[in-house]
Amino acid sequence: DAKTTQPPSMDCAEGRAANLPCNHSTISGNEYVYWYRQIHSQGPQYIIHGLKNNETNEMASLIITEDRKSSTLILPHATLRDTAVYYCIVVIKAAGNKLTFGGGTRVLVKP
Amino acid sequence: DAGVIQSPRHEVTEMGQEVTLRCKPISGHDYLFWYRQTMMRGLELLIYFNNNVPIDDSGMPEDRFSAKMPNASFSTLKIQPSEPRDSAVYFCASSLDGEKLFFGSGTQLSVL
Repeated sequence: DAKTTQPPSMDCAEGRAANLPCNHSTISGNEYVYWYRQIHSQGPQYIIHGLKNNETNEMASLIITEDRKSSTLILPHATLRDTAVYYCIVVIKAAGNKLTFGGGTRVLVKP
Repeated sequence: DAGVIQSPRHEVTEMGQEVTLRCKPISGHDYLFWYRQTMMRGLELLIYFNNNVPIDDSGMPEDRFSAKMPNASFSTLKIQPSEPRDSAVYFCASSLDGEKLFFGSGTQLSVL
């Protein structure tokens, strides 16, 4: 599976959009980009995933560059409850989703 | 649905004792995963099952660890004998078709 690189931490203001970057320059054509987050003392929570098109759901939007070498998770209106560690994972979907979690980005939403 | 249910929530034991962690996946899910999380190593995949069959156990640390899934609604992770370095949070997760994983609340294991 392709390796991902994320900033270790970032702050954002409550009510503003939070843009979380992820680099995956070695991604292959059949690998998906998945985002999970882990709020303190809880298990990870699925957010969104995509292959090459931009995706949006009730939690977030995922923007994948045309060359697929990077992506951005957008939390449109960050709340204090969005404070968490966010993991970007690249994986072949058909491989039973053997997800490997890296270090992630620790996001702190400030009032 | 109650989600993935893990028990116990907390476990404190002494070195050398047997520890059994339990997991009830979401009904209808075909995949079940066991993860371990520590400050030093982050989240590590230990083993996963598909339709009750172990598919990949390459993450299991050593022979002291074993996992079973006797039926679609129950799985166990056993450590025998336990050691202090096994102290961690152990997560179970299930998935319908491998697309999204749903995690339980975890078991905080402390081996003294």
